[in-house]
Amino acid sequence: GIQVEQSPPDLILQEGANSTLRCNFSDSVNNLQWFHQNPWGQLINLFYIPSGTKQNGRLSATTVATERYSLLYISSSQTTDSGVYFCAVGTGTASKLTFGTGTRLQVTL
Amino acid sequence: EPEVTQTPSHQVTQMGQEVILRCVPISNHLYFYWYRQILGQKVEFLVSFYNNEISEKSEIFDDQFSVERPDGSNFTLKIRSTKLEDSAMYFCASTGGGSYEQYFGPGTRLTVT
Repeated sequence: GIQVEQSPPDLILQEGANSTLRCNFSDSVNNLQWFHQNPWGQLINLFYIPSGTKQNGRLSATTVATERYSLLYISSSQTTDSGVYFCAVGTGTASKLTFGTGTRLQVTL
Repeated sequence: EPEVTQTPSHQVTQMGQEVILRCVPISNHLYFYWYRQILGQKVEFLVSFYNNEISEKSEIFDDQFSVERPDGSNFTLKIRSTKLEDSAMYFCASTGGGSYEQYFGPGTRLTVT
């Protein structure tokens, strides 16, 4: 099956700093989603981005499907950005999502 | 905005007991999924469901698991005889509103003692 790798596995930032999270995948995809898992365990959908670039406030994402990677940018980080960020990909019509192992982000004051 | 809902939010059960986790997908969606996440690990696919039948299942989804769409709104996951290793967060998701984007419910935390 498809392999999904995320880097870095852990990231500690001071409030106000910027960061880039990376997701590499091993095959062509027709679905790519970024999630933020909050301290209560909920998966918050950040972006549906199988290709191209999207922005939502301080967050933006870019997927280069031909090179099989996606990037999540967090600017001016806040303590509420802390948590685990997951990338997940799908390869067929409404197929299952395969998740990466996540990046654990801690934003400190 | 439509959302996927799940009940209960937390369930504690004894080993060997049956549990049913419930989900209400988004109303115009046609594809439904269950995933689970053992504490500290990544989210894993269990099963997908379309047109009233299982379309794909993982090796985790053995004979102890079953899914059902008993009416036009609910989607359930049953674990017949729970084991300690079934303790996890279980997420329901749905898609089908014109894109492949999957919408996740808030999860049910299952604790087996």
